Amino acid sequence: QQQVKQSPQSLIVQKGGISIINCAYENTAFDYFPWYQQFPGKGPALLIAIRPDVSEKKEGRFTISFNKSAKQFSLHIMDSQPGDSATYFCAAARGSSNTGKLIFGQGTTLQVKP
Amino acid sequence: DAGVTQSPTHLIKTRGQQVTLRCSPKSGHDTVSWYQQALGQGPQFIFQYYEEEERQRGNFPDRFSGHQFPNYSSELNVNALLLGDSALYLCASSFLAEAFFGQGTRLTVV
Repeated sequence: QQQVKQSPQSLIVQKGGISIINCAYENTAFDYFPWYQQFPGKGPALLIAIRPDVSEKKEGRFTISFNKSAKQFSLHIMDSQPGDSATYFCAAARGSSNTGKLIFGQGTTLQVKP
Repeated sequence: DAGVTQSPTHLIKTRGQQVTLRCSPKSGHDTVSWYQQALGQGPQFIFQYYEEEERQRGNFPDRFSGHQFPNYSSELNVNALLLGDSALYLCASSFLAEAFFGQGTRLTVV
């Protein structure tokens, strides 16, 4: 119940295309769902996060879609750029505020081809 | 604001030794969490410190211990190192909401 399953494991997208990464969770107590971007040799950087009271959140080229009934959420990267090439992790946490205990997915390595 | 800073950035230790990793949280953050990230995997939660006490703990053995100081900085100690402890160790600080990660300490056990 503590798992977060992420797919695909790797993704290749042409420049200007849409990158879509999916995550699924089991624990309905989770109420905070962030996405992190990680470059080689660096720590994860928070991209965007959503709570279950909304179905979609957009920040620039990044959009989270959230389906509470299906217990799924996804990251959409519009107009993907070579600089977006990185590993992306979804995560989930429980509690009325994020206490910092994040359960991470396995990660998706994104390659954006010029 | 320097963000979350960790030291050292890289470390090589011999099996059986002990290691101490350090973390300074982002300014204004009072909660520090530690994660272990094996190569090609997502970070795994080790434990979290708040008000100088361990508040939550993940599925890690007692060889992993920590400390938080009055200025909110934190240390992660690992005793009796195993080859399998080789990983990137990440510190994250938070204040109520989002967690921000440091660049990590790459620990190699030989």
